[in-house]
Amino acid sequence: GQNIDQPTEMTATEGAIVQINCTYQTSGFNGLFWYQQHAGEAPTFLSYNVLDGLEEKGRFSSFLSRSKGYSYLLLKELQMKDSASYLCAVSGGNYQLIWGAGTKLIIKP
Amino acid sequence: GAVVSQHPSWVICKSGTSVKIECRSLDFQATTMFWYRQFPKQSLMLMATSNEGSKATYEQGVEKDKFLINHASLTLSTLTVTSAHPEDSSFYICSARGRSEHEQYFGPGTRLTVT
Repeated sequence: GQNIDQPTEMTATEGAIVQINCTYQTSGFNGLFWYQQHAGEAPTFLSYNVLDGLEEKGRFSSFLSRSKGYSYLLLKELQMKDSASYLCAVSGGNYQLIWGAGTKLIIKP
Repeated sequence: GAVVSQHPSWVICKSGTSVKIECRSLDFQATTMFWYRQFPKQSLMLMATSNEGSKATYEQGVEKDKFLINHASLTLSTLTVTSAHPEDSSFYICSARGRSEHEQYFGPGTRLTVT
């Protein structure tokens, strides 16, 4: 079957660094996405990885290891506005997105 | 670029009535559109995938006759919730993908409340 796992909830401190992990098992792979979703809003795109390695974009970085079926999203210099759910999604063999349940990130002052 | 709009952003309707939600890609041609539903504090649930000019493909457990999807053009898809019930109250989100795109671009969502 197809499966995406990520932690349900994480807590971090303002100004710190947090890493949100995602492991996946899918039939076919055409890339992995990270989306941010604030409560009551639609998801917004953060990153896309299709090759192994680290993609850096400002305070956010995303890493992919296809052989391990593993990705992480790294958030640096955390701000209160980063409190949100972070969704990991894999584009499968038919290019449909398979979604993780999301990780709720709570930022404390 | 890659803007997707939804209308209405919120709607309240009475039980038994039908509601139509529109999803438009404003600056690109969306060969594929997706409809999701999200209940409070739960993850996105894909309801159906629609390709322009063809019938939508529904996910298991989603009633085709209750959730009517039309993707008549490359920039517009509609979701009609027929004979709405209070349990249909949810956040409905569409997304769109262009022909050569990997990414899905999300609309802002429509909050439906059925009383």
